[in-house]
Amino acid sequence: DTGVSQDPRHKITKRGQNVTFRCDPISEHNRLYWYRQTLGQGPEFLTYFQNEAQLEKSRLLSDRFSAERPKGSFSTLEIQRTEQGDSAMYLCASSDLQGARNTIYFGEGSWLTVV
Amino acid sequence: GENVEQHPSTLSVQEGDSAVIKCTYSDSASNYFPWYKQELGKRPQLIIDIRSNVGEKKDQRIAVTLNKTAKHFSLHITETQPEDSAVYFCAASGTGTASKLTFGTGTRLQVTL
Repeated sequence: DTGVSQDPRHKITKRGQNVTFRCDPISEHNRLYWYRQTLGQGPEFLTYFQNEAQLEKSRLLSDRFSAERPKGSFSTLEIQRTEQGDSAMYLCASSDLQGARNTIYFGEGSWLTVV
Repeated sequence: GENVEQHPSTLSVQEGDSAVIKCTYSDSASNYFPWYKQELGKRPQLIIDIRSNVGEKKDQRIAVTLNKTAKHFSLHITETQPEDSAVYFCAASGTGTASKLTFGTGTRLQVTL
C-alpha cells in the first residue's frame, strides 16, 4: 500500500490556461473521489468514480471541469480556461468498496494557483 | 443534501488538558462519521470513525461519541500533546451516497506548553 499519489503537487498557471492533475489511487481501490479545498475550509466533494464509471458530479463542477478514469485505475482532473477562483487544493481520495469499513484515504493534494 | 456544522472554529488548550470538538449533521440517513486531522500543507488523515450502530468508540487518547437522535457527534482528545496541534475536520456520509463525505468547516486546535 503506497497510498494515494497526486501529480503535480503544485501548479501555477495564468488565467485562461488549461491544467490537468493526475491521481493514482491505492492499488485495487475501486472508488476514486475528487475534492477541492480552499484555505480555512473543509474539503468539498467534486465527483467520484466507481471503477471507470463517473457516478456523481457536484454542482460545484462547472463545464470547465472534466474528470476521467479510463481504465478504472488512475484518474485525471482537467480544468479548462482557468479562473482565479479555481485556486485551491485539489484532493484525490480512494476507497475499497469491498472493505468492511470503506474508509476514504486522501492523497497529499495538488495545489493550484491561478494568476 | 447533507450539511455538517462544526464548533468551535479554534480551540486552544494547555498540554495535558482535554479537547472537545462538536459537530451536528442534518441528514438522518447519514450513518458514517469519520474525523480527519490535517496538518499545514498535508493530506487529511483519518484518526477515528464511528458508524451509527454504536454510540461511542475509543482509540487510546481519542474517543468519538454519537447521538443519532440529536444528530450530533463529538471528538474527545485527552492528555493533549503539542503534536495534536492541527486542524480537525468532522464528516458525515450515508450509504445512499456511496460514502461521499460532507465535511465540517474545521477546528484549529492549538496545544500550548
